[in-house]
Amino acid sequence: GAGVSQSPSNKVTEKGKDVELRCDPISGHTALYWYRQSLGQGLEFLIYFQGNSAPDKSGLPSDRFSAERTGGSVSTLTIQRTQQEDSAVYLCASSLGQSGSEQYFGPGTRLTVT
Amino acid sequence: DQQVKQNSPSLSVQEGRISILNCDYTNSMFDYFLWYKKYPAEGPTFLISISSIKDKNEDGRFTVFLNKSAKHLSLHIVPSQPGDSAVYFCAASEGVTGANSKLTFGKGITLSVRP
Repeated sequence: GAGVSQSPSNKVTEKGKDVELRCDPISGHTALYWYRQSLGQGLEFLIYFQGNSAPDKSGLPSDRFSAERTGGSVSTLTIQRTQQEDSAVYLCASSLGQSGSEQYFGPGTRLTVT
Repeated sequence: DQQVKQNSPSLSVQEGRISILNCDYTNSMFDYFLWYKKYPAEGPTFLISISSIKDKNEDGRFTVFLNKSAKHLSLHIVPSQPGDSAVYFCAASEGVTGANSKLTFGKGITLSVRP
């Protein structure tokens, strides 16, 4: 079946512009996660959605970052007034949401802020 | 503050030999540990996991060992194959007992298997 998809695959934007990154999780997966990987770093947790519960936003680095998940499926990560330090690969993952369930990752969106 | 540490950035082994990838953690609340494998321009893919109630889990050529007292785990690949060449991430969560299964990742280790 189809895996997690993300779009765009690459995004180059000017400092100060807003960007939206999209994630389509695996159908039926109730949990959705956003991570980012900066150069030379591991994956850093950003935000987590589980069903109808309030999202865990504890990993968002600043109030310029926000995310929505509409209809329990597609999610959009928005970065306002982008800065150069926002340049990274943004990865989305989904899972069945049960304890210990495996997270399936999309290919990521490479964001470059110039 | 790195809660999951992979102190060696790279490892090179001969095809057919054993690869041992190490990982240390500091958060005693972690109770579920995973290894992910990542090829360039792709997302990480799940490899193997272990719950804190076990000290070993084996799946084919891959075995993960957990030493809770030392807060250390390792991934053994035997025999290593050239297709195993990738970046390997160690990850941990409070997922088994906690409601939120967000993962905390190490920085990864690049494994190169020489033919």
